[in-house]
Amino acid sequence: DTEVTQTPKHLVMGMTNKKSLKCEQHMGHRAMYWYKQKAKKPPELMFVYSYEKLSINESVPSRFSPECPNSSLLNLHLHALQPEDSALYLCASSSRDRENNEQFFGPGTRLTVL
Amino acid sequence: KQEVTQIPAALSVPEGENLVLNCSFTDSAIYNLQWFRQDPGKGLTSLLLIQSSQREQTSGRLNASLDKSSGRSTLYIAASQPGDSATYLCAVAPTYGQNFVFGPGTRLSVLP
Repeated sequence: DTEVTQTPKHLVMGMTNKKSLKCEQHMGHRAMYWYKQKAKKPPELMFVYSYEKLSINESVPSRFSPECPNSSLLNLHLHALQPEDSALYLCASSSRDRENNEQFFGPGTRLTVL
Repeated sequence: KQEVTQIPAALSVPEGENLVLNCSFTDSAIYNLQWFRQDPGKGLTSLLLIQSSQREQTSGRLNASLDKSSGRSTLYIAASQPGDSATYLCAVAPTYGQNFVFGPGTRLSVLP
């Protein structure tokens, strides 16, 4: 099973709302990632959890807050977002194995901020 | 700082043609390189992962090669089909434990 699942598929929220994106994988991977992707651009790394510890925060605004409850789950909490935060949010996972660190991506959540 | 470029930005070919997509990176000291495809509005699908010690990898009609010394990788697609239409991205892992750096992608259209 090489599947990464994400919910919801679509999300529309106002600038004062609080919402969460969810990601799950059952491949035993110990690294999970959040990416943001704007139209016709490559994914931009936002957060990395390695062995359930936040290892890199790429200077993302504090209105995005990641959480890793366990090795299979990853959340992204959203609060007071801006219209420019509208994008496709992608979750990925990898084994961090020296022999094979192939990344697997979920289908994404299309976020629209009004 | 590692930078990744992909040429061409867009490509349109008739069905049945063999084609090559190019990926270049500025620092040849890479750990590995991964090719993905992405359909519009969807997530990325992993196609091939090439370790730095490997020269090529094959999966079905796809063949990816890696030349670290020249900072290049190519993705060869044989007998292209309309279903191959998508954006193809390459991503380079600079060292073990470091995160992938993505290229901007090549948008491929295969015409029936």
